[in-house]
Amino acid sequence: DTGVSQDPRHKITKRGQNVTFRCDPISEHNRLYWYRQTLGQGPEFLTYFQNEAQLEKSRLLSDRFSAERPKGSFSTLEIQRTEQGDSAMYLCASSLIIEGLAGKYNEQFFGPGTRLTVL
Amino acid sequence: AQSVTQPDIHITVSEGASLELRCNYSYGATPYLFWYVQSPGQGLQLLLKYFSGDTLVQGIKGFEAEFKRSQSSFNLRKPSVHWSDAAEYFCAVGPISSGSARQLTFGSGTQLTVLP
Repeated sequence: DTGVSQDPRHKITKRGQNVTFRCDPISEHNRLYWYRQTLGQGPEFLTYFQNEAQLEKSRLLSDRFSAERPKGSFSTLEIQRTEQGDSAMYLCASSLIIEGLAGKYNEQFFGPGTRLTVL
Repeated sequence: AQSVTQPDIHITVSEGASLELRCNYSYGATPYLFWYVQSPGQGLQLLLKYFSGDTLVQGIKGFEAEFKRSQSSFNLRKPSVHWSDAAEYFCAVGPISSGSARQLTFGSGTQLTVLP
């Protein structure tokens, strides 16, 4: 299977602990996105990378959240000092930039997500 | 700022009936539009997309959607629903630009229940 993969699929942690999630994008995709999805809501954008460069991180929810993509391949999302409000599904997506008639756009392919529960 | 509204939180239809899920967007330029489907505990699967050209787009699993610029809408339709279509459906909008294309903005979703 050559889709986007995420690990772990589920994570239960105690408040105050640090957690790290991994995303492996589709191999030829140069863009990687992180989203958060809370119950009953659509995904909310957090940050994205083009290759190893993090081009947008102002939407990260607080300074407890950080993301890396050190070699332009897989990415990690870390949450430090977790809080109960961090409980959510964390989704990763990857894409290629496509040149179309109306301009550049990207089609994002999503992984299965990591479900985080903070007790 | 771009936004997406899905007015129907929950829709129930009988198997074999037709389906229309509504999506309205707000965006200051020409958008590109998507519909995704999400089964419980799963990630999002792309059903279809609109970038330009024909305003009626066909997707997977027998779904189609029509872009209506005058109404700022991108409604999803299926002529005959199957029990396996029960899931949550998300409409999303993203920018077309001469520079870098960025993140998608999602609606809050419509939960579809299919009755036997």
